[in-house]
Amino acid sequence: DTAVSQTPKYLVTQMGNDKSIKCEQNLGHDTMYWYKQDSKKFLKIMFSYNNKELIINETVPNRFSPKSPDKAHLNLHINSLELGDSAVYFCASSHIRTGGDTQYFGPGTRLTVL
Amino acid sequence: GENVEQHPSTLSVQEGDSAVIKCTYSDSASNYFPWYKQELGKRPQLIIDIRSNVGEKKDQRIAVTLNKTAKHFSLHITETQPEDSAVYFCAASNTGNQFYFGTGTSLTVIP
Repeated sequence: DTAVSQTPKYLVTQMGNDKSIKCEQNLGHDTMYWYKQDSKKFLKIMFSYNNKELIINETVPNRFSPKSPDKAHLNLHINSLELGDSAVYFCASSHIRTGGDTQYFGPGTRLTVL
Repeated sequence: GENVEQHPSTLSVQEGDSAVIKCTYSDSASNYFPWYKQELGKRPQLIIDIRSNVGEKKDQRIAVTLNKTAKHFSLHITETQPEDSAVYFCAASNTGNQFYFGTGTSLTVIP
């Protein structure tokens, strides 16, 4: 069974639209993350959620909002999409503990904004 | 905040040779250092990690070393094979909920 899954795998949309990406993990982890990987392959953390509380909110536009209906899900909503939002978005999960723990990544969602 | 630098950005080696990738970090509170391998079109996957109470860790052909004083850590791959070709990322974390990634190293193993 897939440990961390994301849908959709590909998302092509027009500027100005609103879209969502879903993420689910079945590892029983208590923390989930969203990363953005741009065309240069840089991985930047956007958000992390622990027990339904937002722990990190990096300097991302407020057009991006994470929503966690339960510990196993962390969805990413994006409003008013812009060309610069085109990237691959990865969801990840881990257990929080002192000193960090292994993150497991989802397969990624390639977002293309036209 | 933490700043992780990674070098080189690209690396080409002959099959069978060794490859070394180096990272430095700025926050002395960082205590967990994972390495991820990302093949083309795939997700990053953990290949090895090290915690600050350990200086070196090995797993078959892969090893990681950590120098806390100098704030740098390195990935060593011996007897490289074509399937080792990928982008490798280092990362640093101090709490488990903040991970700072290096900019990646694109490794090409030439058969």
